[in-house]
Amino acid sequence: DQQVKQNSPSLSVQEGRISILNCDYTNSMFDYFLWYKKYPAEGPTFLISISSIKDKNEDGRFTVFLNKSAKHLSLHIVPSQPGDSAVYFCAANADFFYGGSQGNLIFGKGTKLSVKP
Amino acid sequence: NAGVMQNPRHLVRRRGQEARLRCSPMKGHSHVYWYRQLPEEGLKFMVYLQKENIIDESGMPKERFSAEFPKEGPSILRIQQVVRGDSAAYFCASSRPDRNTEAFFGQGTRLTVV
Repeated sequence: DQQVKQNSPSLSVQEGRISILNCDYTNSMFDYFLWYKKYPAEGPTFLISISSIKDKNEDGRFTVFLNKSAKHLSLHIVPSQPGDSAVYFCAANADFFYGGSQGNLIFGKGTKLSVKP
Repeated sequence: NAGVMQNPRHLVRRRGQEARLRCSPMKGHSHVYWYRQLPEEGLKFMVYLQKENIIDESGMPKERFSAEFPKEGPSILRIQQVVRGDSAAYFCASSRPDRNTEAFFGQGTRLTVV
């Protein structure tokens, strides 16, 4: 049973336009969410995160939105660049505020983003 | 993420052999996590360790798999009597004790069982 779902396996966007990557989760205990970017043959790289007490977090071209009632988050990249082409993983954690096993991240299957020049 | 060192990068084992995967965390990081990525899948949590302690091994298969993080030296993920289904990319991540949610990943070890 997948607790974190990324329903779009791939997304293609023109350079300069907005990329929107979506993620849904089922576990209402999740209280911290992260996005990772992964190039082939490399490990995931942390991109941006958001805690459940916020609904938006922005870092340069990257913005993450959280809709707790819909159990949905999205990553916006504006403007998209060819170097953004990678697989993006959404991840969630259930113990951020309660001091539990904070390393146990639950990952989605990823969305492959292609930004065309 | 270049600070987390995993070796080997690629490992080929015959069925029934043992596989040992090593992970040296970033300097100052005392928490280590192992994840496995099967083809076309996301990363699946396996185990969370601190020095000399296993904190959470809820994602570890019950048999053949073990992990350790000794006081000195790297963390080791050990797979005994490997089977073809163990073929995957194994990623290690590390974090500081006070910043557990910001884990940095290594480049992974790609295990192929033939």
